[in-house]
Amino acid sequence: DAEITQSPRHKITETGRQVTLACHQTWNHNNMFWYRQDLGHGLRLIHYSYGVQDTNKGEVSDGYSVSRSNTEDLPLTLESAASSQTSVYFCASSDGASSSTDTQYFGPGTRLTVL
Amino acid sequence: AQRVTQPEKLLSVFKGAPVELKCNYSYSGSPELFWYVQYSRQRLQLLLRHISRESIKGFTADLNKGETSFHLKKPFAQEEDSAMYYCALSGWTNAGKSTFGDGTTLTVKP
Repeated sequence: DAEITQSPRHKITETGRQVTLACHQTWNHNNMFWYRQDLGHGLRLIHYSYGVQDTNKGEVSDGYSVSRSNTEDLPLTLESAASSQTSVYFCASSDGASSSTDTQYFGPGTRLTVL
Repeated sequence: AQRVTQPEKLLSVFKGAPVELKCNYSYSGSPELFWYVQYSRQRLQLLLRHISRESIKGFTADLNKGETSFHLKKPFAQEEDSAMYYCALSGWTNAGKSTFGDGTTLTVKP
């Protein structure tokens, strides 16, 4: 069955370190998204991609970067981790092939703690 | 700019009581509205979307363009409905992205 996975599921790191969170989907979806989930803020979009070699900034992109070298993967990199980036991170994907308004399928999330 | 507002962060009802989770939106155009649910220790998943006009797990939601609302309703809440619920909006002007509300945590007490 097609699915979307994230790794690691839990990560503890130190301030200033570079961290990469992986997202892999086997839906063959064009669109992929990264969100962070914080109490009181719901889901906030960090970065998104509509296809290979395409990346776009979301509403809270500062301190984060992504790259899309193939359809299946959209890794999220925290260039220099800060305590404010302690959060739960969700990756999602959607088809995007026939409509711009698509259901999103979410990964299980990565809980990141920056000490 | 599009916006989704869920006015209640927390909602608590007793089992068997009706429940309504409110969602209001602002969008210049024809929106597509979704409800996503996140059960404890599970990933977010689609509950329903207005275009499907379905009833999922006893929940329904009607898009009211006049009131710009998409409230989620269930006539008789069950304990297993306890979860976080997110309302989301998508449309042509934001090209495949979805704007999410802040979420409502529903607790159904026995």
